[in-house]
Amino acid sequence: GEDVEQSLFLSVREGDSSVINCTYTDSSSTYLYWYKQEPGAGLQLLTYIFSNMDMKQDQRLTVLLNKKDKHLSLRIADTQTGDSAIYFCAVALGGATNKLIFGTGTLLAVQP
Amino acid sequence: GAGVSQSPSNKVTEKGKDVELRCDPISGHTALYWYRQSLGQGLEFLIYFQGNSAPDKSGLPSDRFSAERTGGSVSTLTIQRTQQEDSAVYLCASRLTSGGAGEQFFGPGTRLTVL
Repeated sequence: GEDVEQSLFLSVREGDSSVINCTYTDSSSTYLYWYKQEPGAGLQLLTYIFSNMDMKQDQRLTVLLNKKDKHLSLRIADTQTGDSAIYFCAVALGGATNKLIFGTGTLLAVQP
Repeated sequence: GAGVSQSPSNKVTEKGKDVELRCDPISGHTALYWYRQSLGQGLEFLIYFQGNSAPDKSGLPSDRFSAERTGGSVSTLTIQRTQQEDSAVYLCASRLTSGGAGEQFFGPGTRLTVL
């Protein structure tokens, strides 16, 4: 089955850029998502990219997709303390279900 | 409210008891998903409902788990004879339709603790 991997932890200073990486195994993945989970809160969709795109920018967020290497990244520019959270990469396998396969999550800690 | 709601927010039960978890999806959303978030396994897909179609139960971990969706709206996830390894946060999500890039909107989850 699909396997989605992320590094567990990233620490950055406020104002720096953060880059969170994700790798996946199933090349038939259709849409790839980034979700944010703050302590005690639910999952919030940040952005997504279709598998035939290689980059998407949305304000401070930039998503890069390398289909050949099955590598997805999320760059957060000018990282703020409010960005501290767990970030999940998720891959939709398509088909009738479009169920999401989630990565392990990356805890982003932003130091003031 | 306009979002996905789940109840209860917290449930503590004794091993061997049955529990029911409820999800109210966003009105008009035809697709409904259950996921489980646990320390050892991360976020796992459990089951999917789409309209009147047969549900995709491929993620249910054992036959102690079942779910139904009545009238295409509210869904109930039932865990029979709970075990300690069932302790997790159970998340429900709904989506307008099943196709395309449509966002899955997640509820706040039910934290289940099995003693």
